[in-house]
Amino acid sequence: DGGITQSPKYLFRKEGQNVTLSCEQNLNHDAMYWYRQDPGQGLRLIYYSQIVNDFQKGDIAEGYSVSREKKESFPLTVTSAQKNPTAFYLCASNPGTNYGYTFGSGTRLTVV
Amino acid sequence: SQQGEEDPQALSIQEGENATMNCSYKTSINNLQWYRQNSGRGLVHLILIRSNEREKHSGRLRVTLDTSKKSSSLLITASRAADTASYFCATALRSGGFKTIFGAGTRLFVKA
Repeated sequence: DGGITQSPKYLFRKEGQNVTLSCEQNLNHDAMYWYRQDPGQGLRLIYYSQIVNDFQKGDIAEGYSVSREKKESFPLTVTSAQKNPTAFYLCASNPGTNYGYTFGSGTRLTVV
Repeated sequence: SQQGEEDPQALSIQEGENATMNCSYKTSINNLQWYRQNSGRGLVHLILIRSNEREKHSGRLRVTLDTSKKSSSLLITASRAADTASYFCATALRSGGFKTIFGAGTRLFVKA
């Protein structure tokens, strides 16, 4: 079945560590996105990529980095510069404008 | 109000009743999308309505769009306990390229 796979489901980060969240899709979608969701709130856009080897900052990109070396993969690194990283991270993809998003099941990141 | 703001924030109804959720936005849009999120899971795309459309149906879901009032509504008819979830509207901005903004959501609780 086609879809988006996010891993791990739960991730714990120590202060000062960088951690990488994985996102893989087999939908052949061009565009991929990373969103952050805090409790009781909507989604905020971190980064997005429309094509391979190209990506743009979203509204809250500071402290995060991404790469898009393959169409199927869009990993997100949460760096030590992100001071409040505890949140639920959602990866999504779509074929382009005027299409809905397909979301992964999310990664819950906690700072310990 | 923010772009893509849902109303009410929370809604509790009996099984079999209809549930109506509203979404207001501020800037011109290409399309508006509704999503469902069960607790701790990713979002599921329900319906996308384009800016030149006024109404769309999908099973027990009915979405309306009034671009003159910059508002949309999602109606779930004959609700079921399984409809208990958070519902989000998302607006694809006309000037935003691939940027889509999500609201904070309406929490729907359907009592059996």
